[in-house]
Amino acid sequence: SQQGEEDPQALSIQEGENATMNCSYKTSINNLQWYRQNSGRGLVHLILIRSNEREKHSGRLRVTLDTSKKSSSLLITASRAADTASYFCATDGAGRRALTFGSGTRLQVQP
Amino acid sequence: DTAVSQTPKYLVTQMGNDKSIKCEQNLGHDTMYWYKQDSKKFLKIMFSYNNKELIINETVPNRFSPKSPDKAHLNLHINSLELGDSAVYFCASSQVGTDTEAFFGQGTRLTVV
Repeated sequence: SQQGEEDPQALSIQEGENATMNCSYKTSINNLQWYRQNSGRGLVHLILIRSNEREKHSGRLRVTLDTSKKSSSLLITASRAADTASYFCATDGAGRRALTFGSGTRLQVQP
Repeated sequence: DTAVSQTPKYLVTQMGNDKSIKCEQNLGHDTMYWYKQDSKKFLKIMFSYNNKELIINETVPNRFSPKSPDKAHLNLHINSLELGDSAVYFCASSQVGTDTEAFFGQGTRLTVV
């Protein structure tokens, strides 16, 4: 079964607005990663947050991690039409040796 | 240069046929993976190889057989294709160790008719 659940499943916003996506997972992790998938393309790594970190920034991306709640959020600030894609969280679990992906959030940014 | 490349990008075939998908990475990574993405966009690990050795073999039908001739290549052979095998198959690679990201190929969209 899927490790993670993401919400919302779909999100539509206007350019310039912020987009927040949430991810929940079930087991202990080494780290949690976020990936972007443009339509018909492969996944591209965005950011990684370790299990002992609570917040991380990279450009317009801000990721938080709450291991007590087994949840993470991805915030994209000042969104652009080019941010339109599906976003997936993925967990690297202890001893797992492969990423386990969430169900994904489809983000549509209207120009 | 493409880091992880897989071929073909599209594959349309009839039920019962046998097909292969090839994957190559030029990143020098030790670990390679096959993931399956279904029509609802769920991504699930199928296999993982580390230095040509099978590490993960999820609950995948025996009709699926991965082959890793060297650590830069991981091919996927599928026998007796079924309608339910239709999906997008992604190859990926990563370096051994903790806190490493995975690099994905562009995907192979398999349609079984």
